[in-house]
Parts: sequence; structure tokens; C-alpha cells
Amino acid sequence: ETGVTQTPRHLVMGMTNKKSLKCEQHLGHNAMYWYKQSAKKPLELMFVYSLEERVENNSVPSRFSPECPNSSHLFLHLHTLQPEDSALYLCASSQEGTWAADTQYFGPGTRLTVL
Amino acid sequence: DAKTTQPPSMDCAEGRAANLPCNHSTISGNEYVYWYRQIHSQGPQYIIHGLKNNETNEMASLIITEDRKSSTLILPHATLRDTAVYYCIVRGGSQGNLIFGKGTKLSVKP
Repeated sequence: ETGVTQTPRHLVMGMTNKKSLKCEQHLGHNAMYWYKQSAKKPLELMFVYSLEERVENNSVPSRFSPECPNSSHLFLHLHTLQPEDSALYLCASSQEGTWAADTQYFGPGTRLTVL
Repeated sequence: DAKTTQPPSMDCAEGRAANLPCNHSTISGNEYVYWYRQIHSQGPQYIIHGLKNNETNEMASLIITEDRKSSTLILPHATLRDTAVYYCIVRGGSQGNLIFGKGTKLSVKP
């Protein structure tokens, strides 16, 4: 397995469910990211982890809870979501070095539908 | 706010070069120009990036003007699989995160 993988690829959940999205990177990177892409809207950065510590949280509602147990794995725990949270959730990773030049590589995304 | 301006859409004939422009007139000296593309409902794919010199890799060429206020991504021989939304992103300085705008929807036609 190479690159950045995400599971599941598709997820349908009710508003009272609890689910988790998983991301794994096989690139030896030390930073990982969660993005959200709603229909007809640009990608929005949700969370950034560097060396397994959260360094940025772009005012995301608490019903989204990230976890980064090690540099290769990133989770997004979901609970009591709303229908407007339906979107494509994308994970990315990078090797932080020169601040402006570390390239982010994206996974295929999880298509989430909240009923 | 996005720092780049791109046309919303472009068409290109299969086998011809696709030239995608991007204006970034407020770019500062330590900011890089990045290009990504996103094929429908997939994750964005990194294409190329540069600071001030022109760059080429196996996917594309990036031409940056001398004043760095604009750039052009060139796909030398476009194929139908190059149909995607192409994002030009300026990144660096105090803001290292990727900020995606609306991009250019490139349609490659047979």
C-alpha cells in the first residue's frame, strides 16, 4: 500500500450515530491534516497535526474529534452530526521541513452522508 | 481570502497543450506557487510547485513570470483523463496552509 489511504470510502450515518474515519499514510511524513469539502464549496482545513500534536483547529464544531495516535495514523471521530455535515472528508500528509515548501499529499477521501 | 485568480473554466482539445493561467499579483518574496488538480469526487493530486524559476516534471511545466505576479501551468499533451478542476495556490510566509479557491475546470474534448 502506498501513499495516503482512507477508510471507509463511503459512509452513511444517522444523526445519533457515532462513527470514525481513518487515515493512514505510508510516506514517512510527520504532519497530517483533515479537510472538508462540501458540495460546490472549496476545501476547508479542519485540523492539522504536526509530530502527533494538534497545531491548528480552524474553529471546527466539537462533534468532530480528531485523534493522532502516531505519525502514520489519523482518525476523525464523529458523533451527533447534522445533515449539513454531509461532505467529502479528505486526509493529507506532508513532511514538514522548509515551511512553505512541504508538499501535501491527499488521500481519496471518505464520502459522508448524514441522514 | 484566496490570493489567486483563475478563469472558472477552459476547454482543450485532446492531444493539444493545455495552458492554465493564474494571477497572483500580491505574492510576496517567500511565497511559493502550488498547483493541484481534483478529478471529480477524488482527493486533490499534487502537480508541481515553484518559487521563481520555471519548473518541469513528468506531469507538467510551470512558467512563472519574472515579476512573479502570474504563472501558467502547461500540460503538454492533454488527454481525456486530464479533465479536472485545477487549483493554483500561493503558499508560504506566515501562512503555510493550503487555501483552495474555486480553481479552473478544465474539460479536455476528443
